[in-house]
Amino acid sequence: DADVTQTPRNRITKTGKRIMLECSQTKGHDRMYWYRQDPGLGLRLIYYSFDVKDINKGEISDGYSVSRQAQAKFSLSLESAIPNQTALYFCATSDSTGGNPKDGELFFGEGSRLTVL
Amino acid sequence: DAKTTQPPSMDCAEGRAANLPCNHSTISGNEYVYWYRQIHSQGPQYIIHGLKNNETNEMASLIITEDRKSSTLILPHATLRDTAVYYCIVRGTGQNFVFGPGTRLSVLP
Repeated sequence: DADVTQTPRNRITKTGKRIMLECSQTKGHDRMYWYRQDPGLGLRLIYYSFDVKDINKGEISDGYSVSRQAQAKFSLSLESAIPNQTALYFCATSDSTGGNPKDGELFFGEGSRLTVL
Repeated sequence: DAKTTQPPSMDCAEGRAANLPCNHSTISGNEYVYWYRQIHSQGPQYIIHGLKNNETNEMASLIITEDRKSSTLILPHATLRDTAVYYCIVRGTGQNFVFGPGTRLSVLP
C-alpha cells in the first residue's frame, strides 16, 4: 500500500461545484503539502501544514482552502471550482526539518487529476 | 520563483551516461542542491542532494562545481525507465521546495 494516498485519483466536475481532494499518510510525518501541476510546468505550492494546528498559504492559495483533520490527513477544497483549476494535484509529506538536510525530503502521493468543465 | 535554470529537454541513448546540467548562480552558502524526478504523471521522487562535495548513491551521482554555481546529475547507464522529467532544486534548511519546469529526459533505444 502507498505511504501517501490521495482520493479521488480522477474527478470530472462542473463549474461552481465544491470539490474536496483528500490525502492520508502512514509515514508518521508532521508536515503535509498540496501542490498543483499544469501541463509542461513544474509543481506550484498551494498550502502546507507543519502540524495539526498549523496552516500556511503557498504561492497559489486563492480559490483553495485546506483542513488538517489529523496528523495523517490533509484535505484540499475548491469551494467553487472553475475551469482554470483543471490540473493534476499532488499531496506530499515530509518529516520535520532538523539540522539534517535529508529531513524535509518530500514523499508524494500518486496525484489527483481534476477536470472542471 | 525557482532558483535554478535547466534545459527543457535532452535525449540520451540507452546504456550511455545521461548528464543533466543545472545552473544555480545565486545559491547561498547554506543552500543544498536537490534532484527529484517525475516519471510520466506520477508524484516526483527524490534522487540525491548535496552541498558542495560530489555525492553518489545507487541511483545517480551529483557533481557540484567548486563555486557551487552549477551542478550535473549523472545517470551512469541510462535505461528506458529513466525517461522522466528531472527537477533541480536549491533549498535551504526549513525552506519549501520550489519546482521549476525541469528537464525532460528521453532515453532512446
